[in-house]
Amino acid sequence: AQSVAQPEDQVNVAEGNPLTVKCTYSVSGNPYLFWYVQYPNRGLQFLLKYITGDNLVKGSYGFEAEFNKSQTSFHLKKPSALVSDSALYFCAVSLLSDSWGKLQFGAGTQVVVTP
Amino acid sequence: KAGVTQTPRYLIKTRGQQVTLSCSPISGHRSVSWYQQTPGQGLQFLFEYFSETQRNKGNFPGRFSGRQFSNSRSEMNVSTLELGDSALYLCASSRDSALPDTQYFGPGTRLTVL
Repeated sequence: AQSVAQPEDQVNVAEGNPLTVKCTYSVSGNPYLFWYVQYPNRGLQFLLKYITGDNLVKGSYGFEAEFNKSQTSFHLKKPSALVSDSALYFCAVSLLSDSWGKLQFGAGTQVVVTP
Repeated sequence: KAGVTQTPRYLIKTRGQQVTLSCSPISGHRSVSWYQQTPGQGLQFLFEYFSETQRNKGNFPGRFSGRQFSNSRSEMNVSTLELGDSALYLCASSRDSALPDTQYFGPGTRLTVL
């Protein structure tokens, strides 16, 4: 069975410092990985995805993620965090065998950026 | 281009009632997926529809059902509501479920069961 884990419930970072949100996955085939962000009382906003190709994926709002097959990880990064990046971040995986319409989400990581 | 819309945004129901939630996908999107979000269970996949056919179903009881219309709009229904059904219900659309396309989410419907 496929699964995705976000080992940190919360990440605290000072504004201007690098931000990393961790994600690891466990799948039997080729993973297709996504990052979403959720602000209070809002739906999920798409940040970036890895389908194939370059392991470093660049996304919206200055975020990027690195796909590491050997470590089965897909960590989200931002070189310089902003207070407005404070939100709930979700990593998700989908498999062809499940159809693309089914995303399996991690538990989420709350990011708190302090001024 | 308009995003995914969900109606209503908020609902309050009592146990035993039924409820219908509506989702209008982004124009041109043919796949619609539904998710339930709760503090305890997180985000869980309910079902996916593509071309009016259910393509995939999550591990939810039969009280949860859905359908998709010819214009790709989708509805989900929950019958005999239980307190545990209180959640944010999110709908997402994508262009074609045969490809690993991005799912775009609506703002959700917040259901409270009293």
